[in-house]
Amino acid sequence: DAGVIQSPRHEVTEMGQEVTLRCKPISGHDYLFWYRQTMMRGLELLIYFNNNVPIDDSGMPEDRFSAKMPNASFSTLKIQPSEPRDSAVYFCASSRTGGEVLFGPGTRLTVL
Amino acid sequence: GQQLNQSPQSMFIQEGEDVSMNCTSSSIFNTWLWYKQEPGEGPVLLIALYKAGELTSNGRLTAQFGITRKDSFLNISASIPSDVGIYFCAGQPMMNRDDKIIFGKGTRLHILP
Repeated sequence: DAGVIQSPRHEVTEMGQEVTLRCKPISGHDYLFWYRQTMMRGLELLIYFNNNVPIDDSGMPEDRFSAKMPNASFSTLKIQPSEPRDSAVYFCASSRTGGEVLFGPGTRLTVL
Repeated sequence: GQQLNQSPQSMFIQEGEDVSMNCTSSSIFNTWLWYKQEPGEGPVLLIALYKAGELTSNGRLTAQFGITRKDSFLNISASIPSDVGIYFCAGQPMMNRDDKIIFGKGTRLHILP
C-alpha cells in the first residue's frame, strides 16, 4: 500500500512567488494534516481536515497560507506571497482515526 | 494548552549501549505514539500505545504507557549506527474535544564511533 505522497520534494522559489504543495493521503484515511518543521520551532500543526472538511486551522501562520481538500485523495497547501521566513520542511500526514498519524516524505521549501 | 516535555533533548552514546528517553505531561493522554525521523525523511511511526500500563516492543525498541496516563518512555537496547535520528513522542490528550495529537520537541540520538 502506498504511503502519503507529497510533491514536489524540493521547491526553491523567490520571495513574492506563489507556492503550491500537494498531497495524496493514504487511501481510506479520513484525517489529513499539514505540518511545518523548522529547527527553531520543531514540528508545528498548521491545519487538519476530517472527511475533507477543515477542522482546525489555528496553526496557519497568517492569511498568506491557505489549504484545500477538494476530495478524499488530494489536498493542497498554498503560500501566496511567499517570504524567506516560510522556508521549512512541510509534511502532509494522514490517519484513519486521528491517532496513528502517518507522514509523507515532506517538501523542503526554500524561499530566496 | 497541553504540552509534552520530552527528554533528553539530545544524547551521545557509544554503539552497543542501551538508550532511554521519556515524555511527560501534566495532562492525561488516551494514546501515546513514538516516531523516528531520519535526515531528509518524514517521521516514521515506531510504536503506538493505547492502555495505561501497556508495554509494547518492536524489535530492540520497547515503549510503555505510564500508569498515571501522563507519561511514556522509549527504550532502545544494544544501539546500532542506524538508530541515529530524532525520536518524537506524541499523544492524544483525553481532554481534547478534537482528535489532534500533540508532539514533543524530540530527542536527537547520536552514536559515537
